[in-house]
Amino acid sequence: NAGVTQTPKFQVLKTGQSMTLQCAQDMNHEYMSWYRQDPGMGLRLIHYSVGAGITDQGEVPNGYNVSRSTTEDFPLRLLSAAPSQTSVYFCASSYSGSGYSNTGELFFGEGSRLTVL
Amino acid sequence: AQSVTQLDSHVSVSEGTPVLLRCNYSSSYSPSLFWYVQHPNKGLQLLLKYTSAATLVKGINGFEAEFKKSETSFHLTKPSAHMSDAAEYFCVVSDEDTGRRALTFGSGTRLQVQP
Repeated sequence: NAGVTQTPKFQVLKTGQSMTLQCAQDMNHEYMSWYRQDPGMGLRLIHYSVGAGITDQGEVPNGYNVSRSTTEDFPLRLLSAAPSQTSVYFCASSYSGSGYSNTGELFFGEGSRLTVL
Repeated sequence: AQSVTQLDSHVSVSEGTPVLLRCNYSSSYSPSLFWYVQHPNKGLQLLLKYTSAATLVKGINGFEAEFKKSETSFHLTKPSAHMSDAAEYFCVVSDEDTGRRALTFGSGTRLQVQP
């Protein structure tokens, strides 16, 4: 059982470049999300999705795009990378019991460490 | 708006001694509360959760936490620390009545366990 798989694990970009962080889960979870983790700031929600075709912004969405064409995949796109986007990115999924509300356990990938020069 | 404060950024204990990681929360409604653990270079893993049932919650690896509404606290404890407990711990609050997905993470407490 793979759980939540993130690729790549490490990436170095130059300012202005674009890239996509991939996230896939094999647990048939409706809810998927992207967080960024910065020292001393915990995890902050970037975007989330409660099902295929539905996405919404989290706390820090600027500079990122997402789409959800299938239940399994939830890629995160950096449109024009900036040094402020240097961070560790985590994808997390969960069974969503009812619509937009979800207090279930989140299952996390192992993270993608991004450095923007 | 909900918020969570982890009162210590670093805690150091000796192996075999008790662990106390402190968490205070603020929520407009009845919250759900979680503790997650993150080992180095790994994703987060759920330790335990409180969702308005018993106020004393038992989790994995001998950890437990007590929900105290009057003190708005959800401190994590373990009677005897093990070297493998060295990790970063996050207290998380979820406000059920916001109508949208909202988990708020604390800033984390790094637990060191000395031999």
